[in-house]
Amino acid sequence: QVQLQESGPGLVKPSETLSLTCAVSGYSISSGYYWGWIRQPPGKGLEWIGSIYHSGSTYYNPSLKSRVTISVDTSKNQFSLKLSSVTAADTAVYYCARHTYYYDSSGYSDYWGQGTLVTVSS
Amino acid sequence: DIQMTQSPSSLSASVGDRVTITCRASQGISNSLAWYQQKPGKAPKLLLYAASRLESGVPSRFSGSGSGTDYTLTISSLQPEDFATYYCQQYYSTPPNTFGQGTKLEIK
Repeated sequence: QVQLQESGPGLVKPSETLSLTCAVSGYSISSGYYWGWIRQPPGKGLEWIGSIYHSGSTYYNPSLKSRVTISVDTSKNQFSLKLSSVTAADTAVYYCARHTYYYDSSGYSDYWGQGTLVTVSS
Repeated sequence: DIQMTQSPSSLSASVGDRVTITCRASQGISNSLAWYQQKPGKAPKLLLYAASRLESGVPSRFSGSGSGTDYTLTISSLQPEDFATYYCQQYYSTPPNTFGQGTKLEIK
């Protein structure tokens, strides 16, 4: 069974960088699929952040692209999210997920982590 | 970006009812649509992909249809565990894989 688990600070100061890691078990990242991040502000809908293939190929939401970096560490079977220059608007539950491979890009998400709340506040 | 518009935003229904939720894309997405169910405090759960293909383990009372820009999720006979928020997502044009704003299904 594929399992994903997010980890990282639950509180980040404004203007700093949010950093999260997603540990994957039950499946080797090197075997395929895209791996990505989706967030959900409290009481609001879902926003797709971006995804990465094991080769390092990435797709980012254009609205966040200038601040987002997603990286992968196949040796540890995990991938990471960095979001720079955060503001209160970046406060959200952050989910990591496995994204299917769709015509050489990222498709729908079939496995999700439980999510982790990150609050941006001084 | 492709915009996804769900309707209604909220819906009240009773156990046993047949319910339909609609998702409209701002341009054709060639059946590249997924539906998710989310319960409070939980991660979304994949229900259907490719507009009409049921994810393994999902009850057959859930079904999907549509083409072009218009898609529907139907629950044939609502069960108590089905009261949740439902999201559609297009993956035809990446990035980004945009979501609809959600439909909250509540007990009448």
